[in-house]
Amino acid sequence: DIVMTQSPLSLPVTPGEPASISCRSSQSLLYRNGYNYLDWYLQKPGQSPQLVIYLGSNRASGVPDRFSGSGSGRDFTLKISRVEAEDVGVYYCMQAVQDPYTFGQGTKLEIK
Amino acid sequence: EVQLVESGGGLVQPGRSLRVSCTASGFTFGDYAMSWFRQAPGKGLEWVSFMRSKTHGERTEYAASVRGRFTFSRDDSKGIAYLQMNSLKTEDSAVYYCARFIYGSGRYYGMDVWGQGTTVTVS
Repeated sequence: DIVMTQSPLSLPVTPGEPASISCRSSQSLLYRNGYNYLDWYLQKPGQSPQLVIYLGSNRASGVPDRFSGSGSGRDFTLKISRVEAEDVGVYYCMQAVQDPYTFGQGTKLEIK
Repeated sequence: EVQLVESGGGLVQPGRSLRVSCTASGFTFGDYAMSWFRQAPGKGLEWVSFMRSKTHGERTEYAASVRGRFTFSRDDSKGIAYLQMNSLKTEDSAVYYCARFIYGSGRYYGMDVWGQGTTVTVS
């Protein structure tokens, strides 16, 4: 199974400041079609997960452009250019290049 | 409105069975692969199973922890996905979420719609 490792696990951020979350996989997530099968999901308190980024760098519909995803192969990053109060929750990376699909441990973003 | 609604959760004794459902609305259900995830209390997300669309052979896969006990099925005419859970264990206690995705022919756009979840307690 592909092991996904996120860091940090806790991320206190001042509103308006940037935030960055790292996700590393134990195997390459680059598929033969040239895409990295890495998603980012946000689970807000008391809610279901919601898609933020798919294929490593594509923002999901309705996601603000302050969110960006980057990386390739085994190393990926989710960046929020200016954190807002509504961004709090737990962020998970998930690989979908091979089953079983696996998640990182989650990074809890909170407002300072 | 595009929506997924899970139902069927509840309290069940170890070793018994339960079937949870995921009812879709607002989109052409048969065009999508579907997946089940779960989240134990206070824990992270865990993938459970997926089933591709009929176009892609309805290929089904399961996490090792549930393989042989859980069965994924779908009724495209009704827009419902099912997860039949047999021989339940206490460690299967979790909120179960369904999600839709497109996968195949080089296309993938993430798990873009999730349900609100249904709670299964095995005790």
